[in-house]
Amino acid sequence: DVKVTQSSRYLVKRTGEKVFLECVQDMDHENMFWYRQDPGLGLRLIYFSYDVKMKEKGDIPEGYSVSREKKERFSLILESASTNQTSMYLCATYERGGYTFGSGTRLTVV
Amino acid sequence: GENVEQHPSTLSVQEGDSAVIKCTYSDSASNYFPWYKQELGKRPQLIIDIRSNVGEKKDQRIAVTLNKTAKHFSLHITETQPEDSAVYFCAATNRDDKIIFGKGTRLHILP
Repeated sequence: DVKVTQSSRYLVKRTGEKVFLECVQDMDHENMFWYRQDPGLGLRLIYFSYDVKMKEKGDIPEGYSVSREKKERFSLILESASTNQTSMYLCATYERGGYTFGSGTRLTVV
Repeated sequence: GENVEQHPSTLSVQEGDSAVIKCTYSDSASNYFPWYKQELGKRPQLIIDIRSNVGEKKDQRIAVTLNKTAKHFSLHITETQPEDSAVYFCAATNRDDKIIFGKGTRLHILP
Protein backbone atom coordinates (compact mmCIF):
# COMPACT_ATOMS: atom_id res chain seq x y z
CA ASP A 1 0.00 0.00 0.00
CA VAL A 2 1.46 3.32 -1.10
CA LYS A 3 1.88 5.79 1.66
CA VAL A 4 2.06 9.49 1.00
CA THR A 5 2.88 11.42 4.14
CA GLN A 6 2.54 15.14 4.59
CA SER A 7 4.50 16.37 7.55
CA SER A 8 1.93 18.79 8.96
CA ARG A 9 -1.81 18.47 9.22
CA TYR A 10 -2.40 22.08 10.25
CA LEU A 11 -0.16 25.12 9.90
CA VAL A 12 -0.65 28.75 10.80
CA LYS A 13 1.84 31.20 9.33
CA ARG A 14 2.18 34.96 9.16
CA THR A 15 2.02 37.02 5.99
CA GLY A 16 5.47 37.29 4.44
CA GLU A 17 6.85 34.15 6.05
CA LYS A 18 8.62 31.52 3.99
CA VAL A 19 6.67 28.28 4.31
CA PHE A 20 7.77 24.74 3.53
CA LEU A 21 5.26 21.94 3.02
CA GLU A 22 6.85 18.52 2.95
CA CYS A 23 5.64 15.37 1.25
CA VAL A 24 7.26 11.94 1.41
CA GLN A 25 6.24 8.76 -0.42
CA ASP A 26 7.48 5.26 0.18
CA MET A 27 6.83 3.44 -3.10
CA ASP A 28 9.56 4.75 -5.39
CA HIS A 29 7.04 6.54 -7.63
CA GLU A 30 8.53 8.94 -10.12
CA ASN A 31 5.54 11.25 -10.43
CA MET A 32 4.63 13.60 -7.61
CA PHE A 33 2.19 16.48 -7.50
CA TRP A 34 1.07 19.37 -5.36
CA TYR A 35 -2.56 20.48 -5.49
CA ARG A 36 -4.52 23.04 -3.57
CA GLN A 37 -8.14 22.43 -2.75
CA ASP A 38 -10.59 25.27 -2.26
CA PRO A 39 -14.38 25.15 -1.88
CA GLY A 40 -16.10 25.37 -5.26
CA LEU A 41 -12.81 25.23 -7.15
CA GLY A 42 -11.94 21.57 -6.78
CA LEU A 43 -8.35 20.39 -7.04
CA ARG A 44 -5.98 22.71 -8.83
CA LEU A 45 -2.48 21.67 -9.82
CA ILE A 46 0.33 23.90 -8.55
CA TYR A 47 3.48 22.00 -9.59
CA PHE A 48 4.48 18.49 -10.49
CA SER A 49 7.65 16.51 -10.89
CA TYR A 50 8.44 13.50 -13.07
CA ASP A 51 11.84 12.78 -11.61
CA VAL A 52 14.50 13.98 -9.22
CA LYS A 53 15.42 17.61 -9.83
CA MET A 54 12.72 17.89 -12.47
CA LYS A 55 9.74 20.18 -12.00
CA GLU A 56 6.97 21.48 -14.16
CA LYS A 57 4.49 24.27 -13.55
CA GLY A 58 0.89 23.33 -13.15
CA ASP A 59 -2.12 25.57 -13.58
CA ILE A 60 -1.52 27.96 -10.66
CA PRO A 61 2.24 28.14 -9.95
CA GLU A 62 2.38 31.83 -9.05
CA GLY A 63 3.66 32.42 -5.55
CA TYR A 64 4.98 28.88 -5.19
CA SER A 65 8.13 26.93 -5.93
CA VAL A 66 9.07 23.29 -5.42
CA SER A 67 12.09 21.16 -4.67
CA ARG A 68 12.74 17.51 -5.54
CA GLU A 69 16.24 16.63 -4.39
CA LYS A 70 15.38 13.02 -3.59
CA LYS A 71 12.90 10.76 -5.33
CA GLU A 72 10.80 10.19 -2.23
CA ARG A 73 10.47 13.82 -1.17
CA PHE A 74 8.65 16.67 -2.91
CA SER A 75 8.54 20.01 -1.13
CA LEU A 76 6.24 22.92 -1.82
CA ILE A 77 7.61 26.34 -0.92
CA LEU A 78 5.71 29.55 -0.40
CA GLU A 79 8.43 32.16 -0.76
CA SER A 80 6.40 34.90 0.96
CA ALA A 81 3.09 33.66 2.26
CA SER A 82 -0.01 35.71 1.55
CA THR A 83 -3.55 35.44 2.89
CA ASN A 84 -4.86 34.23 -0.46
CA GLN A 85 -2.68 31.16 -0.04
CA THR A 86 -4.81 30.01 2.86
CA SER A 87 -6.01 26.66 1.62
CA MET A 88 -5.84 22.88 1.88
CA TYR A 89 -2.72 21.53 0.18
CA LEU A 90 -2.66 17.96 -1.08
CA CYS A 91 0.37 16.05 -2.23
CA ALA A 92 -0.10 13.06 -4.54
CA THR A 93 1.88 10.43 -6.38
CA TYR A 94 0.93 8.72 -9.60
CA GLU A 95 1.76 5.41 -11.21
CA ARG A 96 -0.29 3.24 -13.56
CA GLY A 97 -3.33 2.45 -11.48
CA GLY A 98 -4.01 5.93 -10.29
CA TYR A 99 -3.20 8.66 -7.89
CA THR A 100 -2.55 8.32 -4.18
CA PHE A 101 -3.07 11.39 -2.06
CA GLY A 102 -1.58 12.49 1.22
CA SER A 103 -3.84 13.50 4.09
CA GLY A 104 -3.45 17.17 3.33
CA THR A 105 -2.07 20.22 5.08
CA ARG A 106 -4.50 22.93 6.02
CA LEU A 107 -2.53 26.16 5.86
CA THR A 108 -3.84 29.39 7.32
CA VAL A 109 -1.95 32.59 6.59
CA VAL A 110 -2.77 35.41 8.97
CA GLY B 1 -8.00 24.21 -22.98
CA GLU B 2 -8.72 20.85 -21.49
CA ASN B 3 -11.63 20.89 -19.11
CA VAL B 4 -13.75 18.56 -16.99
CA GLU B 5 -17.20 19.73 -15.98
CA GLN B 6 -18.94 18.01 -13.08
CA HIS B 7 -22.60 18.24 -12.08
CA PRO B 8 -24.27 18.72 -9.74
CA SER B 9 -22.09 20.55 -7.23
CA THR B 10 -24.35 19.39 -4.39
CA LEU B 11 -26.65 16.40 -4.29
CA SER B 12 -28.97 15.21 -1.54
CA VAL B 13 -30.66 11.82 -1.77
CA GLN B 14 -32.74 9.78 0.63
CA GLU B 15 -30.99 6.81 2.16
CA GLY B 16 -31.64 3.78 -0.01
CA ASP B 17 -32.19 5.79 -3.19
CA SER B 18 -29.71 6.07 -6.05
CA ALA B 19 -27.31 8.92 -6.73
CA VAL B 20 -25.90 9.90 -10.11
CA ILE B 21 -23.04 12.31 -10.72
CA LYS B 22 -22.19 13.35 -14.27
CA CYS B 23 -19.00 14.62 -15.86
CA THR B 24 -18.10 15.82 -19.31
CA TYR B 25 -14.61 16.24 -20.73
CA SER B 26 -13.24 18.23 -23.62
CA ASP B 27 -10.09 16.35 -24.67
CA SER B 28 -11.04 13.51 -27.01
CA ALA B 29 -7.64 11.92 -26.33
CA SER B 30 -8.62 11.24 -22.71
CA ASN B 31 -8.47 7.53 -22.07
CA TYR B 32 -8.70 6.98 -18.32
CA PHE B 33 -11.45 8.19 -16.01
CA PRO B 34 -11.04 7.72 -12.25
CA TRP B 35 -13.48 8.70 -9.52
CA TYR B 36 -12.32 9.79 -6.08
CA LYS B 37 -14.23 9.94 -2.82
CA GLN B 38 -13.17 12.38 -0.14
CA GLU B 39 -14.76 12.02 3.25
CA LEU B 40 -14.75 14.98 5.58
CA GLY B 41 -11.23 15.69 6.79
CA LYS B 42 -9.68 12.83 4.84
CA ARG B 43 -7.69 12.40 1.66
CA PRO B 44 -9.31 11.69 -1.73
CA GLN B 45 -9.33 7.97 -2.42
CA LEU B 46 -9.87 6.14 -5.67
CA ILE B 47 -13.17 4.26 -5.63
CA ILE B 48 -13.61 3.17 -9.22
CA ASP B 49 -12.14 3.89 -12.62
CA ILE B 50 -12.83 3.12 -16.25
CA ARG B 51 -10.71 3.07 -19.38
CA SER B 52 -11.77 4.26 -22.78
CA ASN B 53 -12.09 0.77 -24.25
CA VAL B 54 -14.87 -0.08 -21.77
CA GLY B 55 -18.40 1.31 -21.66
CA GLU B 56 -19.40 0.31 -18.14
CA LYS B 57 -17.83 -1.01 -14.98
CA LYS B 58 -19.46 -2.08 -11.76
CA ASP B 59 -18.19 -2.75 -8.26
CA GLN B 60 -20.94 -3.72 -5.81
CA ARG B 61 -23.15 -0.64 -5.35
CA ILE B 62 -20.98 1.62 -7.50
CA ALA B 63 -20.94 1.74 -11.28
CA VAL B 64 -19.40 4.03 -13.85
CA THR B 65 -20.52 4.48 -17.44
CA LEU B 66 -18.61 6.09 -20.28
CA ASN B 67 -19.93 7.51 -23.53
CA LYS B 68 -16.89 8.37 -25.65
CA THR B 69 -18.90 9.81 -28.49
CA ALA B 70 -20.60 12.31 -26.23
CA LYS B 71 -17.50 12.68 -24.06
CA HIS B 72 -19.29 12.12 -20.81
CA PHE B 73 -19.08 9.66 -17.96
CA SER B 74 -21.17 9.12 -14.88
CA LEU B 75 -20.95 7.64 -11.41
CA HIS B 76 -23.95 5.68 -10.15
CA ILE B 77 -24.37 4.73 -6.51
CA THR B 78 -27.30 2.46 -5.72
CA GLU B 79 -28.93 1.73 -2.35
CA THR B 80 -27.14 4.69 -0.81
CA GLN B 81 -26.02 4.51 2.79
CA PRO B 82 -24.95 7.17 5.32
CA GLU B 83 -21.28 6.33 4.76
CA ASP B 84 -21.65 7.38 1.11
CA SER B 85 -21.85 11.00 2.27
CA ALA B 86 -18.68 12.65 0.91
CA VAL B 87 -17.30 14.81 -1.85
CA TYR B 88 -16.82 12.94 -5.11
CA PHE B 89 -14.37 14.04 -7.81
CA CYS B 90 -14.31 12.82 -11.36
CA ALA B 91 -11.17 13.12 -13.46
CA ALA B 92 -9.97 12.54 -16.99
CA THR B 93 -6.44 11.56 -17.96
CA ASN B 94 -4.94 11.65 -21.43
CA ARG B 95 -2.15 9.63 -23.03
CA ASP B 96 0.46 11.91 -21.46
CA ASP B 97 -1.00 11.05 -18.04
CA LYS B 98 -2.09 14.62 -17.52
CA ILE B 99 -5.10 14.56 -15.20
CA ILE B 100 -7.84 17.12 -15.00
CA PHE B 101 -10.22 17.00 -12.05
CA GLY B 102 -13.82 18.09 -11.91
CA LYS B 103 -14.77 20.58 -9.20
CA GLY B 104 -16.42 17.96 -7.03
CA THR B 105 -19.92 16.98 -5.92
CA ARG B 106 -20.91 17.08 -2.28
CA LEU B 107 -23.24 14.14 -1.72
CA HIS B 108 -25.53 14.18 1.33
CA ILE B 109 -27.40 11.01 2.27
CA LEU B 110 -30.53 11.95 4.15
CA PRO B 111 -31.87 9.65 6.89
